[in-house]
Amino acid sequence: QVQLVESGGGVVQSGTSLRLSCTASGPNFKSYGMHWVRQAPGKGLEWVGFIGYDGSGENLGDSVKGRFSISRDNSKNTLNLQMKTLRPEDTAVYYCAKWGGNDGVDIWGQGTMVTVSS
Amino acid sequence: SYELTQPPSLSVSPGQTATITCSGDRLGSHYVSWYQQRPGQSPRLLIYQDSKRPSGIPVRFSASNSGNTATLTINGAQTTDEADYYCHLWHSSTAYVFGSGTKVTVL
Repeated sequence: QVQLVESGGGVVQSGTSLRLSCTASGPNFKSYGMHWVRQAPGKGLEWVGFIGYDGSGENLGDSVKGRFSISRDNSKNTLNLQMKTLRPEDTAVYYCAKWGGNDGVDIWGQGTMVTVSS
Repeated sequence: SYELTQPPSLSVSPGQTATITCSGDRLGSHYVSWYQQRPGQSPRLLIYQDSKRPSGIPVRFSASNSGNTATLTINGAQTTDEADYYCHLWHSSTAYVFGSGTKVTVL
C-alpha cells in the first residue's frame, strides 16, 4: 500500500521561496502521476498542480502558474513543489496525492503547513 | 474556467438520507470523483468514476452523474459521516478542479 509523507513546510516571508517534498513508500512510484492540492485555513480544497509518472505533463493551476513548479525523482520516490515569490494567500496546508487516473486521487499524504507572513 | 458548485452545508438526522449535489456544465460527460474530509484529517477518496466505491468505503455511500449534476447520497447517515465533501473532475479547460465543498452535519 502506498503511503505519502510531505515535508518542508514552515513560516516564510512574503516574496521568498520554499520547496516542499513528498516521499512515497510502497511500490511503483514511477508508474503513477502525482498531484499537489492545498487548503487555506478554513477553506476548501484547491488543486495546485500535477506531474505525469515520468516527469512530463506538468500542469499548474492559474493561481500559481509562473511561480510554482513540480518535479519528481523516481529513483528516490520523491515529488517536489518549488514555490517562488510566495504571497500571504499561498498560506495553506499542502497535500501531495497519488493520481489513480479514472480511479481518482486515491492516496493522500497528511499535509504540510506553509505560512507566508507579510 | 470550469467551476463546480456545491451547497455550502446541509444537516441530516442520524439514520436519515443526505443528498449532496455538484453542478457544472455538461458534468455528465466527465468522470466525477468524491472525497470526504473529516475535521483535522486529510481527504480520502469516497467515489470514483461517478459511482464506484473503493474497497473499505461503506455501502451507504452511493453516487450518480447525469446532465449537469452529480449527486452523492448517504443512506442512513451516521455521526461519523460528519465531514466536508468535495466533488472533483478533470476538465480540458481547467485541468483538475474541486467543487466548493459541502459541510455535512449529522444531528
